[in-house]
Amino acid sequence: SQKIEQNSEALNIQEGKTATLTCNYTNYSPAYLQWYRQDPGRGPVFLLLIRENEKEKRKERLKVTFDTTLKQSLFHITASQPADSATYLCALPYSGGYQKVTFGTGTKLQVIP
Amino acid sequence: GAGVSQTPSNKVTEKGKYVELRCDPISGHTALYWYRQSLGQGPEFLIYFQGTGAADDSGLPNDRFFAVRPEGSVSTLKIQRTERGDSAMYLCASSLTRSGQGKSPLHFGNGTRLTVT
Repeated sequence: SQKIEQNSEALNIQEGKTATLTCNYTNYSPAYLQWYRQDPGRGPVFLLLIRENEKEKRKERLKVTFDTTLKQSLFHITASQPADSATYLCALPYSGGYQKVTFGTGTKLQVIP
Repeated sequence: GAGVSQTPSNKVTEKGKYVELRCDPISGHTALYWYRQSLGQGPEFLIYFQGTGAADDSGLPNDRFFAVRPEGSVSTLKIQRTERGDSAMYLCASSLTRSGQGKSPLHFGNGTRLTVT
């Protein structure tokens, strides 16, 4: 069956450092991958989408890589700030159809001032 | 502009009761999704609408769960004979996706926190 794995342990980093979050998947050949941010008690907010033919995508302090051979995406936040503290979710289209988007469990990031 | 609106934001009900959760998507978004999220977990897919029809309801856990979108805009998730295990955050999302194109991001509401006592 299809599986998305994100590190369930919280990631604590010092302000100003680069945070790197990992998303691994199995039994998928996704056409794209998305990253979302979720704050406590709120719905997820879309951050970035990367397509299978793109190796890297950037948006301000965010960078996403997509390695379809390793079946892995890395999500980087450079010059991290306490306001970046949140849970970050990766999401892939279900192989049975583009519209059924499946989410990982998310990784909680805590940026320490 | 206005985002996805979900009402109520919190719902407490007794075991065995019937509940309805409402979702107002972003105007013009043809696709609408319901997800359920338990604490410490990612959102779990329940059902997807393209227009008025349920294009994929494979995530509904059993026949106590039902969702409608009669005019292709507002959607209601209905849960009959609620059980304590139904307690979770119920999230609605909409997108511009048309069938077969995919890739459009999901715009989520802030959810309805359902507690079954």
